[in-house]
Amino acid sequence: DVKVTQSSRYLVKRTGEKVFLECVQDMDHENMFWYRQDPGLGLRLIYFSYDVKMKEKGDIPEGYSVSREKKERFSLILESASTNQTSMYLCASSFDSNQPQHFGDGTRLSIL
Amino acid sequence: DQQVKQNSPSLSVQEGRISILNCDYTNSMFDYFLWYKKYPAEGPTFLISISSIKDKNEDGRFTVFLNKSAKHLSLHIVPSQPGDSAVYFCAASEVDYKLSFGAGTTVTVRA
Repeated sequence: DVKVTQSSRYLVKRTGEKVFLECVQDMDHENMFWYRQDPGLGLRLIYFSYDVKMKEKGDIPEGYSVSREKKERFSLILESASTNQTSMYLCASSFDSNQPQHFGDGTRLSIL
Repeated sequence: DQQVKQNSPSLSVQEGRISILNCDYTNSMFDYFLWYKKYPAEGPTFLISISSIKDKNEDGRFTVFLNKSAKHLSLHIVPSQPGDSAVYFCAASEVDYKLSFGAGTTVTVRA
């Protein structure tokens, strides 16, 4: 079974802080993704990566950056956290395009 | 601008009956469609998928139907069970890696 692990289930930070969300997958998947989930909006893609050191913007990249130094690890960075970044953050990975993405259990991030 | 829409935020169904979830999309370039199920405090789990070359895919109690001319996707769950109570997301992608998700439908199965 694919295992996607997000480092924190719950996180509380203050506005202006730099925040790191970590994600690790154990299935040697090429592709990794970061989404946020908000009520009434479903999941929206922030960034994705199809190879080590490669990254592509998703639909809502503003205020975020990512890092993929190793194949199994994909980090999401909030450069200067703001209250509108309070959300559920979900990491996913997939083997190839047109293959299902497998999700972690999410990090509920609150920015105060 | 959401390219994938689930117009019913919620659905209540009696145990043993059929659940039908609907999804509409606007992007004619989508060629791969998926349904995910999500319980509270867990990540979405993959349920079933269909490629644009098919119009039906079945897996046990779950069947997905694709009507490309209408840009419409549906998920049938027969028979519905209490464990099916969850949020269901429809998703679609072009020939790249990106998925576009609908807003979700909350299904409640009544005993």
